[in-house]
Amino acid sequence: DTEVTQTPKHLVMGMTNKKSLKCEQHMGHRAMYWYKQKAKKPPELMFVYSYEKLSINESVPSRFSPECPNSSLLNLHLHALQPEDSALYLCASSQDWGDGYTFGSGTRLTVV
Amino acid sequence: AQKVTQAQTEISVVEKEDVTLDCVYETRDTTYYLFWYKQPPSGELVFLIRRNSFDEQNEISGRYSWNFQKSTSSFNFTITASQVVDSAVYFCALSYSGGYQKVTFGTGTKLQVIP
Repeated sequence: DTEVTQTPKHLVMGMTNKKSLKCEQHMGHRAMYWYKQKAKKPPELMFVYSYEKLSINESVPSRFSPECPNSSLLNLHLHALQPEDSALYLCASSQDWGDGYTFGSGTRLTVV
Repeated sequence: AQKVTQAQTEISVVEKEDVTLDCVYETRDTTYYLFWYKQPPSGELVFLIRRNSFDEQNEISGRYSWNFQKSTSSFNFTITASQVVDSAVYFCALSYSGGYQKVTFGTGTKLQVIP
């Protein structure tokens, strides 16, 4: 299995809702990432997990809460989002820092 | 500071033409990695190639080739005999030892291959 699977593919949520994005990989990669990508922009790093521990938080607002329940799973919990948080949320994994990332197909999030 | 510059915002070519995507990077680290990713309209980023700072050998993979030149801090990507399926946004990226697991992406070059 050489894939990163993200669910759901599309999500529309209100500003008072709580939702979660899910990411799964079975390649044994030790690092997992959340990226946010706005239209016509490059991906922006949000969080890095290494060996299931949060190693980098790029000053992301607390309305985004990551969780790594085990080495294969990565969640992103969303609460009280703003319309400007609408974007493509990408999950990725890699074995080491110098390796190319394997990205999931992303979740297109719309906040209304 | 680490920086990746892709000066070409959009390129259009006719199918079967060759096209080169430029990438210029800045870093003070001596150990770093350079990458190219492809993002088709479907949205998923696809890893194409990695080069480390100590390996300046050029690489060819089918219709794709990469030219890494440390002297000019460039890592250019050439597609030979372009095809419609090559239409995508291409990102050059830099990962450096001083910024563990941080990757700096360029702004991307949108390539449109016209049939």
